[in-house]
Amino acid sequence: KNQVEQSPQSLIILEGKNCTLQCNYTVSPFSNLRWYKQDTGRGPVSLTIMTFSENTKSNGRYTATLDADTKQSSLHITASQLSDSASYICVVINDYKLSFGAGTTVTVRA
Amino acid sequence: DAGITQSPRYKITETGRQVTLMCHQTWSHSYMFWYRQDLGHGLRLIYYSAAADITDKGEVPDGYVVSRSKTENFPLTLESATRSQTSVYFCASSKYRDPGNQPQHFGDGTRLSIL
Repeated sequence: KNQVEQSPQSLIILEGKNCTLQCNYTVSPFSNLRWYKQDTGRGPVSLTIMTFSENTKSNGRYTATLDADTKQSSLHITASQLSDSASYICVVINDYKLSFGAGTTVTVRA
Repeated sequence: DAGITQSPRYKITETGRQVTLMCHQTWSHSYMFWYRQDLGHGLRLIYYSAAADITDKGEVPDGYVVSRSKTENFPLTLESATRSQTSVYFCASSKYRDPGNQPQHFGDGTRLSIL
């Protein structure tokens, strides 16, 4: 069973709208959590990283939150753009081991 | 800034054939990694390397062989391809081992189909 579960599996939003992606994990112990963006046909690119003591981290229109007590993270996309269409992958880091979620595919429509 | 490049981008082969996927990075990163990405699954680590001539198994190493004679190259070989190895393969590199310190940088992948 995957230790990193992401939801929803996919979503469609209209350009300019906001959306929130969820990541629940059971990896323990936990040191860091990263969100990656993967465009179609490309490799993943890191968006944010948070340690267990951080609650929120922003990168432009992307804001990640972390609740280490409930083992949940979310990625919020504000004022979506067509270029936000991609898969977003949650990665939980335990020491040197990375556990990848299956990703949420976001489609932004004009 | 070439970064990390993978070749070929697409490959179709038959079961039982040997196939090698190439990975080249220009950053002189110490660490290199091979992952496979299957629909509905997260990326899974196949092998990694800490330096030239130092390699180690990841989560799913069976059926794969790696080598690293030079820092910049990390080829992945499927010695006798099977249909279950049909996947998208990603190579990554990083300067440090600690993925919390610096992210791994990924290539754009090789889409491998085994008939």
